[in-house]
Amino acid sequence: QKEVEQNSGPLSVPEGAIASLNCTYSDRGSQSFFWYRQYSGKSPELIMSIYSNGDKEDGRFTAQLNKASQYVSLLIRDSQPSDSATYLCAVELGSTLTFGKGTMLLVSP
Amino acid sequence: ETGVTQTPRHLVMGMTNKKSLKCEQHLGHNAMYWYKQSAKKPLELMFVYSLEERVENNSVPSRFSPECPNSSHLFLHLHTLQPEDSALYLCASSKGSYITEAFFGQGTRLTVV
Repeated sequence: QKEVEQNSGPLSVPEGAIASLNCTYSDRGSQSFFWYRQYSGKSPELIMSIYSNGDKEDGRFTAQLNKASQYVSLLIRDSQPSDSATYLCAVELGSTLTFGKGTMLLVSP
Repeated sequence: ETGVTQTPRHLVMGMTNKKSLKCEQHLGHNAMYWYKQSAKKPLELMFVYSLEERVENNSVPSRFSPECPNSSHLFLHLHTLQPEDSALYLCASSKGSYITEAFFGQGTRLTVV
């Protein structure tokens, strides 16, 4: 059974700090990995995709992938209160995108 | 605006009603999806359509019936639902069914009374 695990949180960080969000997955055949941000009452919004081992940076966001250890993480530098949301990890296998339950991030001013 | 539009945004229906959810994408994508999001549960994939053909049906009860008349439109027909079907129903699209980035619509908040 394909599983994607995330700590539900909430993860609380002060403004300006680095927020680190982690995700593990069960299927070694997975090739594509995504991070979505979901504000309360809104739909998920794609913020990062990563396909190869290593780091991928986009502005304040860095996705990290380690296929051998089957984890993917998202770092948010210089966290802002507007980053407060639930972050969903999604892992692909074939035509299926499997989501974790999400980690709630709270950034305090 | 993500290029994926869902209507209605909110729907309250009785257990004996029949209603339909609509999704339209303006991104030129070939694959469309229905997901269900319930409180404290991960997003659950319900149906996948690629080039208007259903490629996945995750053991969804028959009271949910999808329809994909063309690659830009997707419907979810609802009948004789149960209160536990109350949830946020999300439509998404991607370039192909072998997953590339998926983009979501705003969702329909469904309440079954």
